[in-house]
Amino acid sequence: ILNVEQSPQSLHVQEGDSTNFTCSFPSSNFYALHWYRWETAKSPEALFVMTLNGDEKKKGRISATLNTKEGYSYLYIKGSQPEDSATYLCAQGGGYQKVTFGIGTKLQVIP
Amino acid sequence: SAVISQKPSRDICQRGTSLTIQCQVDSQVTMMFWYRQQPGQSLTLIATANQGSEATYESGFVIDKFPISRPNLTFSTLTVSNMSPEDSSIYLCSVPGQANYGYTFGSGTRLTVV
Repeated sequence: ILNVEQSPQSLHVQEGDSTNFTCSFPSSNFYALHWYRWETAKSPEALFVMTLNGDEKKKGRISATLNTKEGYSYLYIKGSQPEDSATYLCAQGGGYQKVTFGIGTKLQVIP
Repeated sequence: SAVISQKPSRDICQRGTSLTIQCQVDSQVTMMFWYRQQPGQSLTLIATANQGSEATYESGFVIDKFPISRPNLTFSTLTVSNMSPEDSSIYLCSVPGQANYGYTFGSGTRLTVV
């Protein structure tokens, strides 16, 4: 993996369903893995920043895991709500490293 | 975390003209970043703006096309010069957060070049 890759690029789920997305990144020279939520016409909002292999973070119904050795992170949303509709970005880097973003996963939660 | 005010929020411009985008931060920050997201692409770093020195541009971006000013620790501008339709993008400014808090972004400038 040379770049930050996200899958799927778009996703439609029914309200109440749980869902997850994947972020893959180069495992060498790892600094930190970021997840952002970007709603239309708003600023990207930081959800999590994870630095340690095996890290798990949770914010309400949203959680994320990190595997730095194999270079992937999962974002989980439990019981999706229409207000969860947004593009979810992951990014690697920070500190004095450039932060490199994936293309994002666009989630649409259908009421 | 910092709060960033970015202007304009959107604009439609004629090709060959220039647009200047402003970002005002409510606290002093050393580094500010300018990003671009072209349709269907990822957020891409244009340059890093440091107060008191010239901006550092990423590969593929040049000062003549994207001049940046950073007159103090709370303000920066990005100019998109001699625009073409390929410059139609969302432009975002960003500042680093405290450790483990991620980056704070402006609300973006949605630029359409016709």
